[in-house]
Amino acid sequence: EADIYQTPRYLVIGTGKKITLECSQTMGHDKMYWYQQDPGMELHLIHYSYGVNSTEKGDLSSESTVSRIRTEHFPLTLESARPSHTSQYLCASDGGGYNEQFFGPGTRLTVL
Amino acid sequence: GQQLNQSPQSMFIQEGEDVSMNCTSSSIFNTWLWYKQDPGEGPVLLIALYKAGELTSNGRLTAQFGITRKDSFLNISASIPSDVGIYFCAGQPFPYSGAGSYQLTFGKGTKLSVIP
Repeated sequence: EADIYQTPRYLVIGTGKKITLECSQTMGHDKMYWYQQDPGMELHLIHYSYGVNSTEKGDLSSESTVSRIRTEHFPLTLESARPSHTSQYLCASDGGGYNEQFFGPGTRLTVL
Repeated sequence: GQQLNQSPQSMFIQEGEDVSMNCTSSSIFNTWLWYKQDPGEGPVLLIALYKAGELTSNGRLTAQFGITRKDSFLNISASIPSDVGIYFCAGQPFPYSGAGSYQLTFGKGTKLSVIP
């Protein structure tokens, strides 16, 4: 079982602020993912990484950016938050050969 | 890209009843996964299936990987109030190809409500 952490759990900010959502995992997994999910709705992949210095955009276009400087850390940054960015952001990791993704608890972002 | 059709979209059941939900696709999948998500939390992996025809149980949960590799179902027996949540199926499409080959395709979820 993967241990994957996200901070903060809840964030309320004003329009135009720069924010970074943190995601860390302790299992040494190579693959990490960011999903965006509105409450009770489907998951949309916005970024993924298959290892250090490797990042790709997902299916859903997002104004966020990510970095992968260390295996265990995969932060997501919004340079200028807008109300349309209000959502839940879920981080996941996968280290095995069976594509089992393990999710963090999520960050609930509200942009006023 | 590949899509998963998950049904039903929502269901209300009495405590103690059995529940069945399924996912279907027009494409073949290598792996089927079932997750449960509680409000305000991330999805938790319940069952993983790797072979066509595979039937796997986890307590009161049973899931099967369809023989055609295009579908999977999840059954919950003797439901209890803590079974409330959203259940997502997810699959790893076949064949593996290119840099995006490890991504999962997710269904839209089945929202389960249990009436005590």
